[in-house]
Amino acid sequence: QQQVKQSPQSLIVQKGGISIINCAYENTAFDYFPWYQQFPGKGPALLIAIRPDVSEKKEGRFTISFNKSAKQFSLHIMDSQPGDSATYFCAASIFNSGYSTLTFGKGTMLLVSP
Amino acid sequence: GAVVSQHPSRVICKSGTSVKIECRSLDFQATTMFWYRQFPKQSLMLMATSNEGSKATYEQGVEKDKFLINHASLTLSTLTVTSAHPEDSSFYICSAKYLGIETQYFGPGTRLTVL
Repeated sequence: QQQVKQSPQSLIVQKGGISIINCAYENTAFDYFPWYQQFPGKGPALLIAIRPDVSEKKEGRFTISFNKSAKQFSLHIMDSQPGDSATYFCAASIFNSGYSTLTFGKGTMLLVSP
Repeated sequence: GAVVSQHPSRVICKSGTSVKIECRSLDFQATTMFWYRQFPKQSLMLMATSNEGSKATYEQGVEKDKFLINHASLTLSTLTVTSAHPEDSSFYICSAKYLGIETQYFGPGTRLTVL
């Protein structure tokens, strides 16, 4: 059972456009939702994270939108640049549980064309 | 801050040999470290979680005797792949977190190739 569903699997966006990646979760106990960026051959790097008590969080060109009732959250990359071309993973966990692990989505490969 | 390193970055070994991968938190004390495995164009698969000074907790389907994990200090965890076989070839990534903070900080990964 996949607890975090991510879409699309791949995405091509023109430079300057908006990249949107969506995730849906099933476990209502999840209360921490990070996004990671991974370049080929490298480890994932934390991009931005949100908790369900807010509906939106913005850091620079990256915004997370969170819909608790729909159990969905999404990553928006504004003014997408070729350097943003990478694989993006959403994840979810239960904060402060005694045994907290991240559940990852399957990833979205983003290509920003020049 | 929150830098995690891994060594080696790449390793090639013969089938049947053992390989040790180190994971270090460079600027913080990692109360918990995680080991993941990632196949090409796939997501990260959690293999095990380890707390400093305690035995690692392995995910279902991960062989404890094959993937030995030691979290001997607050800055070092090691993964030893014992009697490696070609099917163990993969990208192994560690992450670390410290007490009270949910964020996991990932290392750069180790590419293991077993011939």
